[in-house]
Amino acid sequence: SQQGEEDPQALSIQEGENATMNCSYKTSINNLQWYRQNSGRGLVHLILIRSNEREKHSGRLRVTLDTSKKSSSLLITASRAADTASYFCATDVIQGAQKLVFGQGTRLTINP
Amino acid sequence: EPEVTQTPSHQVTQMGQEVILRCVPISNHLYFYWYRQILGQKVEFLVSFYNNEISEKSEIFDDQFSVERPDGSNFTLKIRSTKLEDSAMYFCASSEMRSTDTQYFGPGTRLTVL
Repeated sequence: SQQGEEDPQALSIQEGENATMNCSYKTSINNLQWYRQNSGRGLVHLILIRSNEREKHSGRLRVTLDTSKKSSSLLITASRAADTASYFCATDVIQGAQKLVFGQGTRLTINP
Repeated sequence: EPEVTQTPSHQVTQMGQEVILRCVPISNHLYFYWYRQILGQKVEFLVSFYNNEISEKSEIFDDQFSVERPDGSNFTLKIRSTKLEDSAMYFCASSEMRSTDTQYFGPGTRLTVL
């Protein structure tokens, strides 16, 4: 898989359930960021986790990072209809350049 | 809360025409970026800019593209002679410091080349 690949590609759950999305990457990173994109809109930064961190929380979001497995997960608890969006992980892989490499994203649909 | 702004939100142009996409980064940020997203595809890095010069550019960023910070607030992307395949959403982003790393994105400009 390429740098920053999310799975599943699409996820549909009922409102109130938890949603888990995964991201895998291939090279060493400085940090990993998760973004949300509503259809046709801009990218909203959700959370950044550094390579020396294992878990981070922000409201209903929980991000984990396993550098040994080169993977990250984003958990959204108690999902709401407004959480319907595409979610992308982005990795900062090249020292000094701060170029972000995005995955294809997970399309999350929350059904009322 | 400060945010990155972009204008126009949608630009339609004829193939071969020049377009300039404009961005106003967050005011205390020092690093600026352009990305693009072709419909249904990944967000792709184009170029990063710091201290009035390009820090890095991707293979996509060929001689048809240029960036400029003409004053203390604007950051522009120019495409000299647009092609059909340049049709995409173009995102500007900025970050405060390299050590901070978080990049904040604007709402994007949808470019349609006819």
